[in-house]
Amino acid sequence: GAVVSQHPSWVICKSGTSVKIECRSLDFQATTMFWYRQFPKQSLMLMATSNEGSKATYEQGVEKDKFLINHASLTLSTLTVTSAHPEDSSFYICSASGDRGYEQYFGPGTRLTVT
Amino acid sequence: AQTVTQSQPEMSVQEAETVTLSCTYDTSESNYYLFWYKQPPSRQMILVIRQEAYKQQNATENRFSVNFQKAAKSFSLKISDSQLGDTAMYFCAFLFGGGTSYGKLTFGQGTILTVHP
Repeated sequence: GAVVSQHPSWVICKSGTSVKIECRSLDFQATTMFWYRQFPKQSLMLMATSNEGSKATYEQGVEKDKFLINHASLTLSTLTVTSAHPEDSSFYICSASGDRGYEQYFGPGTRLTVT
Repeated sequence: AQTVTQSQPEMSVQEAETVTLSCTYDTSESNYYLFWYKQPPSRQMILVIRQEAYKQQNATENRFSVNFQKAAKSFSLKISDSQLGDTAMYFCAFLFGGGTSYGKLTFGQGTILTVHP
């Protein structure tokens, strides 16, 4: 199956700083990428959908100025958490789909801890 | 809007036995896909099985099979010959096959399955 990577796998940052998470599709062109947030033992919450070359579409309640998403190429999307606070600590997962939108491939996730 | 409900927060099963995880969903659409994903302790999401709504035949993948009841909007997962490696959180998910929501997955709350030796 198709492979999606995320970097870093875990990151610790100080409150008030920004952190960038990368999501790459390694062996296919991802026309659409999705970003999710997951708290322990809870479900995945969709944060935003991004299409290559277009602005991301954010879900209701997600602060677009805090969670900046860029989908600059068909293989790379980035999520930047700006001015991070401890409540932003979570597990962030990206997924990507190509021409067949019903096939979605997940990255391994990034654990963010804000101190 | 679509909703997916998993009413079993936790389940356990003995190794080699069979277990069924429940999922119901609500939608007014006729063209959609249903999925079961597995999330082991590594937290990597793994696709277990996919069902296209227009197919009447239940999907199967080795030890995993589904019971898809479209009229009842029910989509249960049966795991046969359970193995220790099946221990994970399982998510039922819905994907609408068209419109502006195309590609968006709606997940259920998840069921934590523990397989005991």
